[in-house]
Amino acid sequence: AQKITQTQPGMFVQEKEAVTLDCTYDTSDQSYGLFWYKQPSSGEMIFLIYQGSYDEQNATEGRYSLNFQKARKSANLVISASQLGDSAMYFCAILGYSGAGSYQLTFGKGTKLSVIP
Amino acid sequence: GAVVSQHPSRVICKSGTSVKIECRSLDFQATTMFWYRQFPKKSLMLMATSNEGSKATYEQGVEKDKFLINHASLTLSTLTVTSAHPEDSSFYICSARSQRNVISTDTQYFGPGTRLTVL
Repeated sequence: AQKITQTQPGMFVQEKEAVTLDCTYDTSDQSYGLFWYKQPSSGEMIFLIYQGSYDEQNATEGRYSLNFQKARKSANLVISASQLGDSAMYFCAILGYSGAGSYQLTFGKGTKLSVIP
Repeated sequence: GAVVSQHPSRVICKSGTSVKIECRSLDFQATTMFWYRQFPKKSLMLMATSNEGSKATYEQGVEKDKFLINHASLTLSTLTVTSAHPEDSSFYICSARSQRNVISTDTQYFGPGTRLTVL
């Protein structure tokens, strides 16, 4: 079984500043994937960034980067140069073997990010 | 990227009626589909995993007779909430995976969700 912990229910950041959203995980799998999704008020789950457990380099996608520290089992999301449109819920998720013949995503409780103009 | 659609996007129904939600993968074959439920300001909770051609695997605590899942083809899965009650009001999100046994960023896509309100 996999578990994701997001300890920040809410975060505030000034526009144009950088912000780090925390995520720690627990899994017994050797191979897994870590995801970050953004969910605006519309409800759609928007994929942001992915880190494979065997990837040595930290993933980056535009203004998003993932600070992957495997030994500490953390996968923090860094958003640089925050924009007002970044205000949303952010979910960290881990993809691992479900034991029922397939892989499944397990989500954290999410962090609500509010960008202040 | 691949697209997953859900229909309807919003539904309001009376208590006791059944509601069917469709999830379609538009440009890929989904070997596995997932149904999630999300309460306001809460995380996504997996309800069931559905592999094409076989019965869905339900998570603990999810009533299989209440939430009927049919994955009849590689592009369509349906979730039917039978005899809906106000406590079933929630945001339901489907997700589809093109490959079953691969961990990759490019294998799982989410639908836009269906907001169910039971009066």
